[in-house]
Amino acid sequence: AQSVSQHNHHVILSEAASLELGCNYSYGGTVNLFWYVQYPGQHLQLLLKYFSGDPLVKGIKGFEAEFIKSKFSFNLRKPSVQWSDTAEYFCAVRGSSASKIIFGSGTRLSIRP
Amino acid sequence: NAGVMQNPRHLVRRRGQEARLRCSPMKGHSHVYWYRQLPEEGLKFMVYLQKENIIDESGMPKERFSAEFPKEGPSILRIQQVVRGDSAAYFCASSPRQGGQETQYFGPGTRLLVL
Repeated sequence: AQSVSQHNHHVILSEAASLELGCNYSYGGTVNLFWYVQYPGQHLQLLLKYFSGDPLVKGIKGFEAEFIKSKFSFNLRKPSVQWSDTAEYFCAVRGSSASKIIFGSGTRLSIRP
Repeated sequence: NAGVMQNPRHLVRRRGQEARLRCSPMKGHSHVYWYRQLPEEGLKFMVYLQKENIIDESGMPKERFSAEFPKEGPSILRIQQVVRGDSAAYFCASSPRQGGQETQYFGPGTRLLVL
């Protein structure tokens, strides 16, 4: 079955701590991978995406993610978080020729000032 | 350049009423997708439409739900005879073309509450 698993439902960090949010997917074939972020009261915004090429993808606001094909993983990282990173983060997968995106259940990130 | 617009942002309905959710895609985008987010869950795909065509409705409930994207005007997601279980956030996304290297851009969502 096609699915995305995000391991942590809620992560609480202090400012300047390093962040890694886990994401594993189950999907046959070539995939596109995404991380979306939803700040409180706002709509989903694309943080970064992987289509092909370098498996280490850099996104906005200092985020990056690494696609490890052998592990079916696409973990999100940031070396030093800020209070403004408080948001919900969604990992998502789509078949490279498909239209619909399959989302994980999200990880809520809370940053202590 | 306006993003994806959705209205209303919040909608309250009583059981048995109809809910109409509207989505205006980004300028130049002719592909629209609807997703539903139930409480404490991720977004789930519902339907994919191009102008005047439903391309993929594999995620739509079999009854009470319908969607359209007319030649002129916004895409409409219609829920007839709403029930409490329909309470959710409904997100619309748009893209200029299908699949491939295209990114879907999301609107702010409509939060439906069924009393």
